[in-house]
Amino acid sequence: QKEVEQNSGPLSVPEGAIASLNCTYSDRVSQSFFWYRQYSGKSPELIMSIYSNGDKEDGRFTAQLNKASQYVSLLIRDSQPSDSATYLCAVTHMDSNYQLIWGAGTKLIIKP
Amino acid sequence: NAGVTQTPKFQVLKTGQSMTLQCAQDMNHNSMYWYRQDPGMGLRLIYYSASEGTTDKGEVPNGYNVSRLNKREFSLRLESAAPSQTSVYFCASSAGTGVTDTQYFGPGTRLTVL
Repeated sequence: QKEVEQNSGPLSVPEGAIASLNCTYSDRVSQSFFWYRQYSGKSPELIMSIYSNGDKEDGRFTAQLNKASQYVSLLIRDSQPSDSATYLCAVTHMDSNYQLIWGAGTKLIIKP
Repeated sequence: NAGVTQTPKFQVLKTGQSMTLQCAQDMNHNSMYWYRQDPGMGLRLIYYSASEGTTDKGEVPNGYNVSRLNKREFSLRLESAAPSQTSVYFCASSAGTGVTDTQYFGPGTRLTVL
């Protein structure tokens, strides 16, 4: 079983709609969760981090964390074509202070 | 302020050849990382360095060596390249020594081993 799982997609969403990306993780003691965005052929960049149960909003982005159910999600409101990218979920590893465990990513396509 | 830079951007090697991937950051960060990214898989940590003079193995260190030359530079060496090492390699850095610090990535090196 993969430690961090994401639907590979592609997830196709109309421009202006809400895109919902999900991530599940297996390590119950994980404390920190991250969403990175990666454009095709480029490097990952951090969008959001979340550490506590509930919602965290930053502009058009909302991260949601549910530790009891072991999932974290990312909502993108008013989706724009520029949001088309692969979104990577990363979770802290229980045995290391330095290592993140990464999902394989969900490819998001925003259709004009 | 260039952030994290990597050289080369592309490289083709034959099986058994060696090479060193270079990484440098100008953000005065303490921690540096080397990852590989393969299709359908998440980023996997090869080695990391929490501070100048220290290095530690990550998830997939076999076949690689690293050197933290100084605070700015962290190199990755393949002593005898194998086709299984065909991948995109990313270097990253973060300000602190904890995993919750934002990691800033370089542009990547696309390596093909024939």
